[in-house]
Amino acid sequence: GNSVTQMEGPVTLSEEAFLTINCTYTATGYPSLFWYVQYPGEGLQLLLKATKADDKGSNKGFEATYRKETTSFHLEKGSVQVSDSAVYFCALAGFQKLVFGTGTRLLVSP
Amino acid sequence: KAGVTQTPRYLIKTRGQQVTLSCSPISGHRSVSWYQQTPGQGLQFLFEYFSETQRNKGNFPGRFSGRQFSNSRSEMNVSTLELGDSALYLCASSLGGADLAGGGDTQYFGPGTRLTVL
Repeated sequence: GNSVTQMEGPVTLSEEAFLTINCTYTATGYPSLFWYVQYPGEGLQLLLKATKADDKGSNKGFEATYRKETTSFHLEKGSVQVSDSAVYFCALAGFQKLVFGTGTRLLVSP
Repeated sequence: KAGVTQTPRYLIKTRGQQVTLSCSPISGHRSVSWYQQTPGQGLQFLFEYFSETQRNKGNFPGRFSGRQFSNSRSEMNVSTLELGDSALYLCASSLGGADLAGGGDTQYFGPGTRLTVL
């Protein structure tokens, strides 16, 4: 079945460092892929999405490219801020549902 | 445009009781999905409704049920609560008329209801 694998956290970075959070998927076909972010005590916020191979989703300085060859959708940001501290979830779309990875906690220190 | 709203935000129940959670989708959205989030199991899909019909269901026992009303608002019910039902229950809404997997739709989440079972 469809599944998503994310790198274990927490990822600890200093402000202005480069961020990569790895995500790989197993799926039938080429479903849409998403990154959601969850801040403490809140629900999930859509960060970005990509709907087909080689698509690049981007938002608020975050980027991720849908790589069919490596079945990956890694999240990147060139310069993180303290306010980016949160849990990041990679997800793929099945039939009217999302399948999520386990989440990766990001901690950014000043 | 107002986002997805969920009520109540926090709930404490005891084992054996039942509980009803409510979700109001974004205006114009006709699909509502429910997810359970726990530290051990992560985010798991419960069910999805579109135009008052359940279109998809996750692998949860029959104690978990839901429904959708004609105004697209949805409720989920958990009967005979167990300690393991303690979780954050998230509701998501989407337009619903297009294929989520194909990129024609996107789910937007509410803040969740935190259920604690004692």
